[in-house]
Parts: sequence; C-alpha cells; structure tokens
Amino acid sequence: GAVVSQHPSRVICKSGTSVKIECRSLDFQATTMFWYRQFPKQSLMLMATSNEGSKATYEQGVEKDKFLINHASLTLSTLTVTSAHPEDSSFYICSAREPWGGAGDTQYFGPGTRLTVL
Amino acid sequence: GQNIDQPTEMTATEGAIVQINCTYQTSGFNGLFWYQQHAGEAPTFLSYNVLDGLEEKGRFSSFLSRSKGYSYLLLKELQMKDSASYLCARKGSNYQLIWGAGTKLIIKP
Repeated sequence: GAVVSQHPSRVICKSGTSVKIECRSLDFQATTMFWYRQFPKQSLMLMATSNEGSKATYEQGVEKDKFLINHASLTLSTLTVTSAHPEDSSFYICSAREPWGGAGDTQYFGPGTRLTVL
Repeated sequence: GQNIDQPTEMTATEGAIVQINCTYQTSGFNGLFWYQQHAGEAPTFLSYNVLDGLEEKGRFSSFLSRSKGYSYLLLKELQMKDSASYLCARKGSNYQLIWGAGTKLIIKP
C-alpha cells in the first residue's frame, strides 16, 4: 500500500521559534497533500490543501502567514509553523492523495508530528 | 462536522460483533471512507464505498446506502487491539475529506 512518511515525529521548541515539518510520499507521486491538526480528544481539522507547483489553499481561520506550506515536488510537502506559541502545540498530520490508484483517490496519512511549544 | 453523524462512543465485548453507523448529507455525494485511529497515532485507511452494498475485508466490512445517506462499519471477532476511534468521512470537492467526529470504540474482555 501507499506509504507516507513525516518528519520529525516529535519536536519541542521554545516560543517564538519556527518549526518545519516534512511530509513525503514514498512510493507514489502525490499531486495533492493535506495538512491537518488534531487537539487531544478532538477530530481532525483540515488546515490546508497543498497542490504541487501552486499555492496552498487554506481553510477558514487558518493563518497562511503563520503556517507556511510548500509543495515543491510530487513527493514532498512542508509545513512551517512560524513564530510558534504554546497554543500551537498540537498533533500535526499530513496526508497524500494517491491519484489513479487505490480506491477513490484514497488519502494516506503520515504518522504525525507532535509539536510542543514551551 | 458538516452533517456527518456517528455515535460518540460504543462499548463491545472481545470476540463479539459491533456495528458503527454513520449518516451523511446526500447532496453531492461521491464516496465514503472509513478510517481507524488509535490514540496518539494517525488515521489508517480501512475502506471506501461509492456504490450501494457491502464490501468485506476480513474481519471488517463496510456498507453503503446512497439513497438513505447511510453507512456502517461492521467489525467481527473483536480483538482488544480494535479499541480505537473509527472515523467516517465523505469525499468532498477538491479531493478533501469531510470528517465525522469519530466513534470511540471500547473493547472489554
């Protein structure tokens, strides 16, 4: 099956610093990747849709200048949390859509990145 | 969210069968997914239904009725490791998934 990796799996940083999270599709080309955030005991919240070679589409209420997304290739998308604050502490998960394969353009998820901002 | 409803929590016994229901808004429907998510982990794909009927995959089966806006996930021969949240999601526009809030399944010995 399709495999998506995410790095790092866990990061602790000081308030005010920036953190970059990488999402890679390992055995398929993903023209579309998605970034989610999940707080404890809550459902997934879509932050943005990342399309290769174009600007990301952000969901309402998500600050695009704070959460920078770059989808530079068909296998890599990055999310940078700029000037992180404690309220940004969350579980960040990416997914990649496998076009023309799987079932119905299934999204496959990376293992997630747990961000803790002190 | 967005008119996808599933129970918040269910409890079942090891070895038994459990059915998790999901209802959704039928307009613009073009596919429904089920994912499993263990605590602290990312979701993993279980099934996809776009036509009416039952899709069986080992111990897990998923059913869809498009006219009723209804799906269920059936888990047989429950094992302790099946304790997780089960997420129902429909395919939206632009390949997004519209998620239900998830059903936390608790398996008791």
